[in-house]
Amino acid sequence: GQSLEQPSEVTAVEGAIVQINCTYQTSGFYGLSWYQQHDGGAPTFLSYNALDGLEETGRFSSFLSRSDSYGYLLLQELQMKDSASYFCAVYNDYKLSFGAGTTVTVRA
Amino acid sequence: DAGVIQSPRHEVTEMGQEVTLRCKPISGHDYLFWYRQTMMRGLELLIYFNNNVPIDDSGMPEDRFSAKMPNASFSTLKIQPSEPRDSAVYFCASSFGPRDADTQYFGPGTRLTVL
Repeated sequence: GQSLEQPSEVTAVEGAIVQINCTYQTSGFYGLSWYQQHDGGAPTFLSYNALDGLEETGRFSSFLSRSDSYGYLLLQELQMKDSASYFCAVYNDYKLSFGAGTTVTVRA
Repeated sequence: DAGVIQSPRHEVTEMGQEVTLRCKPISGHDYLFWYRQTMMRGLELLIYFNNNVPIDDSGMPEDRFSAKMPNASFSTLKIQPSEPRDSAVYFCASSFGPRDADTQYFGPGTRLTVL
């Protein structure tokens, strides 16, 4: 099976940088995905890492180290609209197994 | 594209009643997933289909739950009989092709309340 750990909450001010760490234990692994979910909304895809290293998409970056079973999502230049839950998910056998999510609160 | 469409958006029913949730995936997507989200258990995969065929239903909680995909543009998740512990938000998601199945597009969800 899969087991993922990520912090439950993070609070930061506008303009700051936040890093959400995710460690995983899994019996099979293709890659690590990140999804964002606003309160009352649907999860939306942010990024996917299949290989080690950093993937950058605008203000958001995601990193993976397969040897350490570890990844992180980096949110830069935080904006109020970034207040949401962020989920890491192990992708294996065409399925996603989600972590419990990290609630990010951005304060003015 | 309209995205993944789910209906109804909200459903309130009484224990013992049958509930049917509906999903229309994005046109051209050949993978369809059903998830359940609760505070206690988070986001759980219930079942997924590839080309209308159920591939993995290991997440379906019990025999009261069933899912079908009669064609490429429609899927249902049925709970019969429903119980209060089934109260949750149910999401349908779709993705395109095996190489892109890591990128799933979620519908708005159906918020189910069983009294």
